[in-house]
Formats: sequence, C-alpha cells, structure tokens
Amino acid sequence: GENVEQHPSTLSVQEGDSAVIKCTYSDSASNYFPWYKQELGKGPQLIIDIRSNVGEKKDQRIAVTLNKTAKHFSLHITETQPEDSAVYFCAATSPGDDKIIFGKGTRLHILP
Amino acid sequence: EAEVAQSPRYKITEKSQAVAFWCDPISGHATLYWYRQILGQGPELLVQFQDESVVDDSQLPKDRFSAERLKGVDSTLKIQPAELGDSAMYLCASSLLSSGDYGYTFGSGTRLTVV
Repeated sequence: GENVEQHPSTLSVQEGDSAVIKCTYSDSASNYFPWYKQELGKGPQLIIDIRSNVGEKKDQRIAVTLNKTAKHFSLHITETQPEDSAVYFCAATSPGDDKIIFGKGTRLHILP
Repeated sequence: EAEVAQSPRYKITEKSQAVAFWCDPISGHATLYWYRQILGQGPELLVQFQDESVVDDSQLPKDRFSAERLKGVDSTLKIQPAELGDSAMYLCASSLLSSGDYGYTFGSGTRLTVV
C-alpha cells in the first residue's frame, strides 16, 4: 500500500521568510496529493491540493510542486505570518482508492 | 460554510468504561470516515462508510471498537472497554464522492483521555 514520508518534523522560520515542507510517496499510481493544516485543538483543514497531471499549483502565498518521476511533492509558504504556525500534513491517494494516506506532519513555528 | 459536527469535544473516561463519539457529516456527503490521531502523528483511518455500509474497517480493533451509521447520515463510534492506549484525538471526516481524490472535510475532533 501507499506510504507517505514527510520532513522535517519541526520547522522554525523567521516571520516574512519562506517555509518548505517535503514529502515522498511510494505508490507510483498515486494521483492526488492534498495538504492539510491543523491548528491546536482543531481538525485538519484542506489548504491546497494537486493532481498528478499538474506540476505546480499556487494559491496566494501557498504553492505545491509535484515531481512524479522522483515521487515527491513539496509545500511552499512565502512571506510567512504568525497565523501560519500550525501542523501541516501531506497526503496521497491512488485512483479508485477511497483512502487518503497521511504523512506524520510538520510542526511549523513562525518566529517573531 | 458547511461543517462536520462532532461531539463531545473532550471526554475523560476511566479504563474499562464505555465511551461513544458522535459525528454529523456535511449534508449530502455519502462517504464518512473515522480517523484516530495520536499526539504528534498523522491521522490513521479506523473505518469508512459509504452511506450506511462499511467499506473498510480493516484497521478497526473490532474486539473493543464498533461503528455504525444506521440511516446513512450521522455516525457513532464506540469503544468498550476503553484502554489507556486509546487516548487520542478521534476525527470524523466526510466526502462528497467515494473516491478519496477530492479531499475530505474534517470535524474538530473529540479528544479522548483514558485514565
């Protein structure tokens, strides 16, 4: 089955700088890669996703890139703000599979 | 904005007691998932429903856990008896389609502490 590895587990970034979180997946058939943000005491919230027929997707300060050959994808947050502090999860799913497999998460700290 | 409702938000129970969690998915979402999230880890699927039918419960510890979605709308997850290792966040999610590739909407979860 699919296995998703995520790193780093913790990331501290100065406010205004960029943050990058990287994930790898094992199943070359996986075709959908969502990213979730989880704030303290809340459930994960979908912030951006990408499909395997696209190499990059951007939404304001957030972008995701996908390298199908290398089977890795990354989340990029630019001009980080205090409200970006949270735990971020990458995930992957395969065609026809009902399940999304999550990485173990990255705790992002935005330093003042 | 439509939300997945879960209750209670927090639950403290003694080991060997029974505990139940409730979830009301977004209206019209046929697929409902229960996940367990241990502190510091990603969510892990426990059970998946399509309407009132269980699609996948392969990771559900069936000796103590049960889940139902009798009318294909809201759902209940039960643990009996609770063990110390069950302490975790229990998350419910729903999806419009049965295929996972349109993302889920998660509820705020129930934080369970077993003492």
